[in-house]
Amino acid sequence: GAVVSQHPSRVICKSGTSVKIECRSLDFQATTMFWYRQFPKQSLMLMATSNEGSKATYEQGVEKDKFLINHASLTLSTLTVTSAHPEDSSFYICSARDFSGAYNEQFFGPGTRLTVL
Amino acid sequence: QKEVEQDPGPLSVPEGAIVSLNCTYSNSAFQYFMWYRQYSRKGPELLMYTYSSGNKEDGRFTAQVDKSSKYISLFIRDSQPSDSATYLCATMDTGRRALTFGSGTRLQVQP
Repeated sequence: GAVVSQHPSRVICKSGTSVKIECRSLDFQATTMFWYRQFPKQSLMLMATSNEGSKATYEQGVEKDKFLINHASLTLSTLTVTSAHPEDSSFYICSARDFSGAYNEQFFGPGTRLTVL
Repeated sequence: QKEVEQDPGPLSVPEGAIVSLNCTYSNSAFQYFMWYRQYSRKGPELLMYTYSSGNKEDGRFTAQVDKSSKYISLFIRDSQPSDSATYLCATMDTGRRALTFGSGTRLQVQP
């Protein structure tokens, strides 16, 4: 299957700082990428849908000014957690949709573990 | 009520057992049904997907969807210790194309 990478895989930061997470589709173009958050022993919760060249669509309850999403190219989307707080500590996972597949399969990145001290 | 309900487990079985994992969903608009496997601290990987009702088999894995009862199942035959992971069911409607996940079931296959 197609490969999606995320960078960094793990980040520790101080409260109040901003953290940028990159999501790349390595061997296909993705006009749509998705950002999920996963708390320990819980499922993935969709945060936002990132569309290349346009504004992201945020799920209800997700602060768009806190979680900035930029999808500047067909292979790269970034999520910036601004003014991070300890409650933002979580596992952030992106996925990219491959439109060449039969049902537009989503491929997931390996995730980024964010710890805010 | 969550759109997709899944028993979180954990489920512990001996090696070689048949494993049955299940989910229920509430939104009739869901047309695609997927099962993902997630190892600890890794991203999910797609195991199976099914469109509408029916069965699909791939090696030791069989996925079943019953749209009349809104019930999704994954069967694992001859389970192996390497199958130990969290299994997530997911659904997708044809409109939004966003995935809705169940809470995941942790499976432990004992050697």
